[in-house]
Amino acid sequence: QQQVKQSPQSLIVQKGGISIINCAYENTAFDYFPWYQQFPGKGPALLIAIRPDVSEKKEGRFTISFNKSAKQFSLHIMDSQPGDSATYFCAASRNNAGNMLTFGGGTRLMVKP
Amino acid sequence: NAGVTQTPKFQVLKTGQSMTLQCAQDMNHEYMSWYRQDPGMGLRLIHYSVGAGITDQGEVPNGYNVSRSTTEDFPLRLLSAAPSQTSVYFCASSSFDGYTFGSGTRLTVV
Repeated sequence: QQQVKQSPQSLIVQKGGISIINCAYENTAFDYFPWYQQFPGKGPALLIAIRPDVSEKKEGRFTISFNKSAKQFSLHIMDSQPGDSATYFCAASRNNAGNMLTFGGGTRLMVKP
Repeated sequence: NAGVTQTPKFQVLKTGQSMTLQCAQDMNHEYMSWYRQDPGMGLRLIHYSVGAGITDQGEVPNGYNVSRSTTEDFPLRLLSAAPSQTSVYFCASSSFDGYTFGSGTRLTVV
């Protein structure tokens, strides 16, 4: 049973465009929703995270939008750059530490120059 | 500032062989975990530990053992390697600041 579903599996965006990755979850007990960025040969690194008490969080060019009633959250990358080309994972947990992360299947983003 | 260190980075095993993947963290985190990463399936939790002497199973524990004798170390043992265990393995430690992942071990079982 996949508790966090992520789409699309791959995404190609032109430089300067907006990249949008979506995730949906099933477990209403989840209360922490991080996004991870992974470059080839490296481990995932925390990019940005949100808790369900807010509907949006922005850090630089990266924004998380959160819809609690729909059990969905998304990552928006504004002004996408070739350096953003990586695999992105959404995740969810009941706590940001001490409880396991449940990951989405990942999205491979390619930003074309 | 090492963070989470995994060894080895690459390993090829024959079916039936056993081995231990090493993981060490220097951040004094209580919580550590092992994930495997397979194409299109994200990262799946194998085993985790909430502190020294305490371990528990994750989503895909079969064929793997763990122990946590110290806060710093959390080795993952493959008892009898199978081709289905070909994957990239990540160790992570976490605190209230979030998860820190190691750089991974790419394991191939032939």
